[in-house]
Amino acid sequence: GENVEQHPSTLSVQEGDSAVIKCTYSDSASNYFPWYKQELGKRPQLIIDIRSNVGEKKDQRIAVTLNKTAKHFSLHITETQPEDSAVYFCAASAINTGGFKTIFGAGTRLFVKA
Amino acid sequence: DAGVIQSPRHEVTEMGQEVTLRCKPISGHDYLFWYRQTMMRGLELLIYFNNNVPIDDSGMPEDRFSAKMPNASFSTLKIQPSEPRDSAVYFCASSLQPADYGYTFGSGTRLTVV
Repeated sequence: GENVEQHPSTLSVQEGDSAVIKCTYSDSASNYFPWYKQELGKRPQLIIDIRSNVGEKKDQRIAVTLNKTAKHFSLHITETQPEDSAVYFCAASAINTGGFKTIFGAGTRLFVKA
Repeated sequence: DAGVIQSPRHEVTEMGQEVTLRCKPISGHDYLFWYRQTMMRGLELLIYFNNNVPIDDSGMPEDRFSAKMPNASFSTLKIQPSEPRDSAVYFCASSLQPADYGYTFGSGTRLTVV
């Protein structure tokens, strides 16, 4: 079946460094790629998204890139801060004849050390 | 808007009992999703509704699980009878158009079946 692979599963960085999380998807019909941040004990929250007609999108310290040919997309966090510590999920969404499908990656646990 | 509202926040029940989880989506959101989250399996889609109609229930584990959406502002997920392996956090999410705007998740219900 269709899947989304996310790497790494755990990432530890020093405060101020950059963090990169990568995802690969298999469904070539995927056209929307959101990223969610989930702090411990809380709900996942949408932090940034990108559509298939765009190669890169940036929002302050967060950026996402998409390579449709290679079927991979990445989340980049610059100047990391302790409050960036959380689990990050990527997802790939596609609309097909059966309706709509979103597949989530397994998540990356990011630790930012002060 | 108060966001997606779920109740209860925590539920502890004995094996064999019926459990009902409740969700109020954001007004105007046509899509409603029920997800289950565990450490082992991550975020799993159980079922989703579009305009109150169930579209994809292929993720519902078995006949013990059922979901309804009697109107645009209310949905329930019922487990009968409950089993210890059903212990998880259950999230409800809603979206205006998931292929364009992503999801807004509720705070979740942490279910423990003993």
